[in-house]
Amino acid sequence: LAKTTQPISMDSYEGQEVNITCSHNNIATNDYITWYQQFPSQGPRFIIQGYKTKVTNEVASLFIPADRKSSTLSLPRVSLSDTAVYYCLVGDDRNTDKLIFGTGTRLQVFP
Amino acid sequence: DVKVTQSSRYLVKRTGEKVFLECVQDMDHENMFWYRQDPGLGLRLIYFSYDVKMKEKGDIPEGYSVSREKKERFSLILESASTNQTSMYLCASSPTGVGEKLFFGSGTQLSVL
Repeated sequence: LAKTTQPISMDSYEGQEVNITCSHNNIATNDYITWYQQFPSQGPRFIIQGYKTKVTNEVASLFIPADRKSSTLSLPRVSLSDTAVYYCLVGDDRNTDKLIFGTGTRLQVFP
Repeated sequence: DVKVTQSSRYLVKRTGEKVFLECVQDMDHENMFWYRQDPGLGLRLIYFSYDVKMKEKGDIPEGYSVSREKKERFSLILESASTNQTSMYLCASSPTGVGEKLFFGSGTQLSVL
């Protein structure tokens, strides 16, 4: 199974850049890497998705090395409202349509 | 915007009861999923479905079944609820194709007493 490994928690201060790395050693050739954000008492919501190299949108950047065995979500200049749990998601290597979440990284942003 | 609606926000049931959790999506998505979320364990996949009347087991299907009679509706069934099924249940949908993003409902917090 294409499991993912992320840090359990991270702390930051407002205005700093935050980088969260996810390991996914068994990622399949056709798998995409997707990151979700979850606030308390809500379902996760999509942040960003990529296949290789770098992807950037209005919220975050995603860096993926050539071997694709890891990925890094980068949040520029975080604010208090970025305090949430962030999940890295890749397709299962036996069934690429089966989506498996990692345990998530709890990001706490301080004033 | 895609809307995924779960029928109940909070639910309290007794051990041994049959429990139905309903989920409806309004964007004609082929794929639908049921997850449960417990502190320290993240989201775990229970069942998923790629089409009407189709279902596939996820990581933790024991004690659960599902029904998908219509494309927009995916039901999770606890045949005989137990206390270890107390959890937050999240439904999601996505269009077909690898890498398509998931759209989640707000969740149902189920307590089994």
